[in-house]
Amino acid sequence: QVQLVQSGADVKKPGASVKVSCKASGYTFTTYGISWMRQAPGQGLDWMGWISAYNGNTSYAQNLQGRVTMTTDTSTSTAYMELRSLRSDDTAVYYCARIEYYYAAGSYYISSGFDYWGQGTLVTVSS
Amino acid sequence: EILLTQSPGTLSLSPGERATLSCRASQSVSSSYLAWYQQKPGQAPRLLIYGASDRATGIPDRFSGSGSGTDFTLTISRLEPEDFAVYYCQQYGSSPPTFGPGTKVDIK
Repeated sequence: QVQLVQSGADVKKPGASVKVSCKASGYTFTTYGISWMRQAPGQGLDWMGWISAYNGNTSYAQNLQGRVTMTTDTSTSTAYMELRSLRSDDTAVYYCARIEYYYAAGSYYISSGFDYWGQGTLVTVSS
Repeated sequence: EILLTQSPGTLSLSPGERATLSCRASQSVSSSYLAWYQQKPGQAPRLLIYGASDRATGIPDRFSGSGSGTDFTLTISRLEPEDFAVYYCQQYGSSPPTFGPGTKVDIK
């Protein structure tokens, strides 16, 4: 069965970096992409970006450009999301999810709902 | 960026009743790439509907989605106790993908 298992909760100081992992199993990792979302306490879902596990192509939310990097390790079927220069408003539960996508006319497009999600990773930013 | 609005913000119903949730987009959603998710406290969201009307794997048929263009609806035909949760719509036809603010379905 498809599973995404994320790394455990983390506490960081303002200005530090955090790297969250998402280990996939139960499917061919390189056939799909991984999208990352976050959810601040009591709030809704915010999309952060996604990465193709096939070729590493990425697309990031504009408000995170320059602070976020998404990578994959195909040897371990693991995706990573690193967020730098952390601020208190980065405190949130971070989720990974599997996505389908296609390539057309020089661009990549998501073509499915986000069908399997990790359990979430709470990142707390506090001095 | 496509903005999604959901109504109502909270829906108070009893088990066995019908729930109708609305999602409206600021511009037309490409190829009806609209999804619905259910989220319970302390859990990750679960995909219910994709492509505006296709049920995800394992989703009971009391959940149905409809709509196109800018107006979409999630209907739960008869609420079961486990259906009381927050529901989010999401469009993934245009980048960036965006989520609505959610509708909370609680017990009356």
